[in-house]
Amino acid sequence: DAKTTQPTSMDCAEGRAANLPCNHSTISGNEYVYWYRQIHSQGPQYIIHGLKNNETNEMASLIITEDRKSSTLILPHATLRDTAVYYCIVRVREGGATNKLIFGTGTLLAVQP
Amino acid sequence: EAGVTQSPTHLIKTRGQQVTLRCSPISGHTSVYWYQQALGLGLQFLLWYDEGEERNRGNFPPRFSGRQFPNYSSELNVNALELEDSALYLCASSLGRIAKNIQYFGAGTRLSVL
Repeated sequence: DAKTTQPTSMDCAEGRAANLPCNHSTISGNEYVYWYRQIHSQGPQYIIHGLKNNETNEMASLIITEDRKSSTLILPHATLRDTAVYYCIVRVREGGATNKLIFGTGTLLAVQP
Repeated sequence: EAGVTQSPTHLIKTRGQQVTLRCSPISGHTSVYWYQQALGLGLQFLLWYDEGEERNRGNFPPRFSGRQFPNYSSELNVNALELEDSALYLCASSLGRIAKNIQYFGAGTRLSVL
């Protein structure tokens, strides 16, 4: 079972920041938070990951709370092409026996013109 | 640099038939993963291959099998197809066995079983 909880859907106006929350209250000390997105009928696309510090790359920013029980993915200037299902995944980064990604139901982000 | 490539993109089979799906990982990647995305069921882990060996499999019946070749490409075989096998089959690759390595996905093969 997925170890994360995300809202089913969210709307965002084009050009505005999209803030996607994720709850992972049972996260362990050696588990990282990964974000992927899936545009309709395509393969999931890696976005970003982090352990406890905030992270930023060319696609997005990841803010992880100090207690690590929740995080927020931020798309700074959402465009129509950012409409997708966004998945938040917690995963052991070292010593994992399975390497599998466990996808939950994700958040459908709809960017409105 | 080429990403993960999968073939064919679409496939139509009838119940009881067998199917083979193919995946070429990103150059330099030794691990290949297979996932199934059936309508209403989300993305489910199927199989993980690394260095030519099966490292782990998900909760799927034995008629789902595969292999990894010396060049790290992989095949997924499904025997005795059932209607509920209709799904998008996704392949991902990563640099190696270490769990920290990011998995990069291909565009998938959409299988329809009639």
